[in-house]
Amino acid sequence: NAGVMQNPRHLVRRRGQEARLRCSPMKGHSHVYWYRQLPEEGLKFMVYLQKENIIDESGMPKERFSAEFPKEGPSILRIQQVVRGDSAAYFCASSRDRYEQYFGPGTRLTVT
Amino acid sequence: AQRVTQPEKLLSVFKGAPVELKCNYSYSGSPELFWYVQYSRQRLQLLLRHISRESIKGFTADLNKGETSFHLKKPFAQEEDSAMYYCALYGGAAGNKLTFGGGTRVLVKP
Repeated sequence: NAGVMQNPRHLVRRRGQEARLRCSPMKGHSHVYWYRQLPEEGLKFMVYLQKENIIDESGMPKERFSAEFPKEGPSILRIQQVVRGDSAAYFCASSRDRYEQYFGPGTRLTVT
Repeated sequence: AQRVTQPEKLLSVFKGAPVELKCNYSYSGSPELFWYVQYSRQRLQLLLRHISRESIKGFTADLNKGETSFHLKKPFAQEEDSAMYYCALYGGAAGNKLTFGGGTRVLVKP
């Protein structure tokens, strides 16, 4: 089992561009979570998804951010019209059940 | 609202000395607490959870509901323990998200 995969590991975008972050959960895991870590801060929950459903998006900014976990393929976190404040590390986690979450290596987004 | 507080950003200890990382939480329900560790250039990984009451790599943590704390302890720190440590609370409306503390960097000096 390769573990949770995230790509790209590093992403540079200019202000106003779109960023797409991908997460492939561990085999057999149907729960996916996205967290954001701003510089010098802890991880903050963004969204929880199961296949084709958003279960909890209470941590997602109201605008420009969206997430999906389609029936086939990875989960995608999409940020439209990025701004400098979006620069952060974005972590994906997956779980088989509601308890133990396994984390990916993260995607470091830099907005220039 | 649930919250996790780790008051120390940095703990520096000598090899062989005891180390204690503080974690306090606020949560109206029955808490499920975890410690995660991130070694240099590695992904975040689960260190231990309070419900299993186990000792991992010599670390233990006891849930104290009266003091709303879940401090992490190790009697004799090793250099390989140098890492970032995050305390996390499992909860939320659907019991599905982790709320993390700000993290404590542990540096074990030789």
